[in-house]
Amino acid sequence: NAGVMQNPRHLVRRRGQEARLRCSPMKGHSHVYWYRQLPEEGLKFMVYLQKENIIDESGMPKERFSAEFPKEGPSILRIQQVVRGDSAAYFCASSPTPRWDISTEAFFGQGTRLTVV
Amino acid sequence: GESVGLHLPTLSVQEGDNSIINCAYSNSASDYFIWYKQESGKGPQFIIDIRSNMDKRQGQRVTVLLNKTVKHLSLQIAATQPGDSAVYFCAENYQGAQKLVFGQGTRLTINP
Repeated sequence: NAGVMQNPRHLVRRRGQEARLRCSPMKGHSHVYWYRQLPEEGLKFMVYLQKENIIDESGMPKERFSAEFPKEGPSILRIQQVVRGDSAAYFCASSPTPRWDISTEAFFGQGTRLTVV
Repeated sequence: GESVGLHLPTLSVQEGDNSIINCAYSNSASDYFIWYKQESGKGPQFIIDIRSNMDKRQGQRVTVLLNKTVKHLSLQIAATQPGDSAVYFCAENYQGAQKLVFGQGTRLTINP
């Protein structure tokens, strides 16, 4: 059973371009979480999705950021018109349950490191 | 060795010594806590968890202590090894909610 797969691992974008980050959850996991990590900081919650539904996007910036988790395929975090401040590591985690405290089977991927130049 | 602090403190210990990493959490209502290990260039890796109805939990070479009175967590690593070098984060959760709230982390360096 492969772990949470994120791609690309590294992504370089010029200011104003779009960044698309992909997350394939573990087999059997229907709950996906996206987190952002700035250098030397902890992870900050962005969004929680179930298949075809956004459940909690309270950590997402109001503009330029969107996320989806379609019925088929990976979850996508999209950042439009990137700015230098978007440079960070973006991690997704997947879980078989909606609660962190029920299952210790929630795993994080290796992250996508976005650099905006 | 022991570390406290708010700005990604660094803890250096000799191989074989015990390490204590501290974390102050923010929400007095949080009832579930996790310690993660993050190696350079990788994602967070689950180490151990504890619920608020406990004050101590032991794993393999690791022990987590919870003091709810002062909202404090600690992670003790026994007989540290070079492979323990990483950044360690505590994370808190309330009633299984979708968000894990991460602390800022402590960088642990093991000296040979």
